Amino acid sequence: QVQLVESGGGVVQPGRSLGLSCAASGFTFSNYAMHWVRQAPGKGLEWVAILSYDGTKKYYADSVKGRFTISRDNSKNTLFLQMNSLTAEDTAMYYCAKNSGSDFWGNPFDIWGQGTMVTVSS
Amino acid sequence: DIQMTQSPSSVSASVGDRVTITCRASQGISHYLAWYQQKPGKVPKLLISVASTLRSGVPSRFSGSGGGTEFSLTISSLQPEDVATYYCQRYDSVPWTFGQGTKVEIK
Repeated sequence: QVQLVESGGGVVQPGRSLGLSCAASGFTFSNYAMHWVRQAPGKGLEWVAILSYDGTKKYYADSVKGRFTISRDNSKNTLFLQMNSLTAEDTAMYYCAKNSGSDFWGNPFDIWGQGTMVTVSS
Repeated sequence: DIQMTQSPSSVSASVGDRVTITCRASQGISHYLAWYQQKPGKVPKLLISVASTLRSGVPSRFSGSGGGTEFSLTISSLQPEDVATYYCQRYDSVPWTFGQGTKVEIK
């Protein structure tokens, strides 16, 4: 069964850091680019970052560039998101999502995790 | 960046009605357009890719059309289980922008 399970969310003070993980199973993790997508409470979906299958190419949304870092450990089938200098605007459910194809470009997201909630509050 | 604009932002229709949602890209994105369904409290689900290709298991009452800058998602006969927010998404290039969503409700 193809599955993505996020963890690491919680309540964090503004300016602090938090790391998220996404454990993948049921598919060959090392063959696919992976994304992080977030959704603020009651709001729409916002793409956050993408990492290529081998970890060599990555892109970020302007809203997180310079503060967030996406990485992966293919030996452990795990995707990560390190979030620094958090602000209230980062409060959201964070989903990891699988690229539907092996190509970096031109593929939508076919598998989503259940999400992990990040709340930035003093 | 290319902007994705959906209309309407919400629609209320009766069971059996035909519902159409439009997604407009600020620049051409060829056919690199996906539609997602997010039911209340649930995870987004990929319905349609390449503007018009239904994903496996998606009911045939859903259909997508369009290309370039104008796209649409149609539910031919609205069912109670279709209550959800629907998002379009460009995936031709970075950033992988979503539309703001269209909430579909039963009248």
